[in-house]
Amino acid sequence: NAGVTQTPKFQVLKTGQSMTLQCAQDMNHNSMYWYRQDPGMGLRLIYYSASEGTTDKGEVPNGYNVSRLNKREFSLRLESAAPSQTSVYFCATSGHLNQPQHFGDGTRLSIL
Amino acid sequence: SQQGEEDPQALSIQEGENATMNCSYKTSINNLQWYRQNSGRGLVHLILIRSNEREKHSGRLRVTLDTSKKSSSLLITASRAADTASYFCATPPQGGSEKLVFGKGTKLTVNP
Repeated sequence: NAGVTQTPKFQVLKTGQSMTLQCAQDMNHNSMYWYRQDPGMGLRLIYYSASEGTTDKGEVPNGYNVSRLNKREFSLRLESAAPSQTSVYFCATSGHLNQPQHFGDGTRLSIL
Repeated sequence: SQQGEEDPQALSIQEGENATMNCSYKTSINNLQWYRQNSGRGLVHLILIRSNEREKHSGRLRVTLDTSKKSSSLLITASRAADTASYFCATPPQGGSEKLVFGKGTKLTVNP
């Protein structure tokens, strides 16, 4: 029973490279989220998917795209990585509106 | 936009002491949630308190909510070294949004 699984756990990219962060859940939750966490900034929502087939922008969507592939999987893509996107990225899920969220252990991404 | 804001930013106590963290928020809410984050891990949901509740307990955790002051407190009694972590409050503003807004967290250190 893995819960929320994020891959990869660590990644180093060069400026301009592209990459997709993967998130998969086995909790049968409807809603999925991508956050970034930076020192002193707390968690900021990048994109979310209220249910399969829908995605919406969060607080800091610029430079990112998402795909809700099916109910289980929600991916985050950086098309042209920039040093400002160096961060720890967390995927989270919740059953329904306003319910508690369950988090993966994060992807630590460095962009040089 | 910052909804919840924790206070203090950092707290250092001795094992066995109680730890109190506060959260203030700006807009009306349906509920308020507290999360814990151990170093290098994802957030873990601790407790949810609804807007019509004033106090809630879970083991050594006690949460209070004062909607008139737009504030909440998290009390950890008889703290242990294992309680060392960052603690975040999160609020979904009224209006049906699924977007939790997290504060920047309180970093708690419990010294053995």
